[in-house]
Amino acid sequence: AQKITQTQPGMFVQEKEAVTLDCTYDTSDQSYGLFWYKQPSSGEMIFLIYQGSYDEQNATEGRYSLNFQKARKSANLVISASQLGDSAMYFCAMREGGNTDKLIFGTGTRLQVFP
Amino acid sequence: NAGVTQTPKFQVLKTGQSMTLQCAQDMNHEYMSWYRQDPGMGLRLIHYSVGAGITDQGEVPNGYNVSRSTTEDFPLRLLSAAPSQTSVYFCASSYGHTQYFGPGTRLTVL
Repeated sequence: AQKITQTQPGMFVQEKEAVTLDCTYDTSDQSYGLFWYKQPSSGEMIFLIYQGSYDEQNATEGRYSLNFQKARKSANLVISASQLGDSAMYFCAMREGGNTDKLIFGTGTRLQVFP
Repeated sequence: NAGVTQTPKFQVLKTGQSMTLQCAQDMNHEYMSWYRQDPGMGLRLIHYSVGAGITDQGEVPNGYNVSRSTTEDFPLRLLSAAPSQTSVYFCASSYGHTQYFGPGTRLTVL
């Protein structure tokens, strides 16, 4: 069965430093998608970045990049130049293969950025 | 363009009561879904729909009903609320690689 594992319940990073949030996944599908979402204290879910299983290059969106290592089944989120506004919960998610948009989420990592 | 809207934002129910959580989107997306978020467990899929008239169960469907009579609306019905259904509920619609989430409904069942 598909599964997403986020092993870091909480992370601290100093402002302007880079931070990596870990995500590993388990699936038997050949075609799948990996996502990262940010959830600030206000509660909304904000889409950050997407990586398809057949994408050869790592996805990047501004200060966010996804370190995709297919053989290791990992999809770590890298945030460069952290800002105080990056403090939030971060969720890794996977979309199953096939014609569906069903997402499976990890348990999340709480990131706190300090000055 | 309002995106995905959910009502109400907050709701308190007594055990056994029924209610409907409303979800609407104005982006003409075919795919819509409902998730619940419990502390420490991430989001879990309750029900989803790939288009008007088509719905299917997700990971945790028990105690919930859905219907999809129009592309825009996807209500979630709690038939007989239980304390275990205390949670934050998110509705989402999707197009391509992006799921657009509503602001959520915080439900408490006493």
